[in-house]
Amino acid sequence: QVQLVESGGGLVKPGGSLRLSCAASGFTFSDYYMSWIRQAPGKGLEWVSYISSSGSTIYYADSVKGRFTISRDNAKNSLYLQMNSLRAEDTAVYYCARLWLVLDVWGQGTTVTVSS
Amino acid sequence: EIVLTQSPGTLSLSPGERATLSCRASQSVSSSYLAWYQQKPGQAPRLLIYGASSRATGIPDRFSGSGSGTDFTLTISRLEPEDFAVYYCQQYGSSPVHFGQGTKLEIK
Repeated sequence: QVQLVESGGGLVKPGGSLRLSCAASGFTFSDYYMSWIRQAPGKGLEWVSYISSSGSTIYYADSVKGRFTISRDNAKNSLYLQMNSLRAEDTAVYYCARLWLVLDVWGQGTTVTVSS
Repeated sequence: EIVLTQSPGTLSLSPGERATLSCRASQSVSSSYLAWYQQKPGQAPRLLIYGASSRATGIPDRFSGSGSGTDFTLTISRLEPEDFAVYYCQQYGSSPVHFGQGTKLEIK
């Protein structure tokens, strides 16, 4: 079945780095745009980034621009989010999602906590 | 930048009742590119409605979406116990893509 599984979350100090991964299965990964969305504790949804099927088109929210880098490896059916210069306000559950105009398939999320 | 405002913030209803959730955009949403998602505690969001009124795969027909331009509505005709959750609208017609702040549907 169609599935997305995130990994790589954890506790990191302010200024630190973390790399999230999302493993896709059950569909032709290389046909789809993919995205990262996050949700801070008790808050709503925030679109972080998306990447086109080939990787040639990328979008970042202003809140992460210059600090986060999205990438993908179509041969490995995997999506990544490299997060640098992390701040307390980056603390959230990070979801990867398949993007076909809308976010039609979501992973279960991975938790990132930025704290000293 | 299109800002989405959902109302009410919290809606208290009983199973069997009809729920009406509103999503208002600060500018017209092109081509009715408006989606609705449901999120239950501890779970990822789930796509319910896209294109303002089309149900996603596997979504029961008690869920319906309507509207155009700047005013959109999600209606749940008869609430089931599993429908109590937070609902988000999202516009995808123009960049940047934003979500509304959510409406919590709670059991009365």
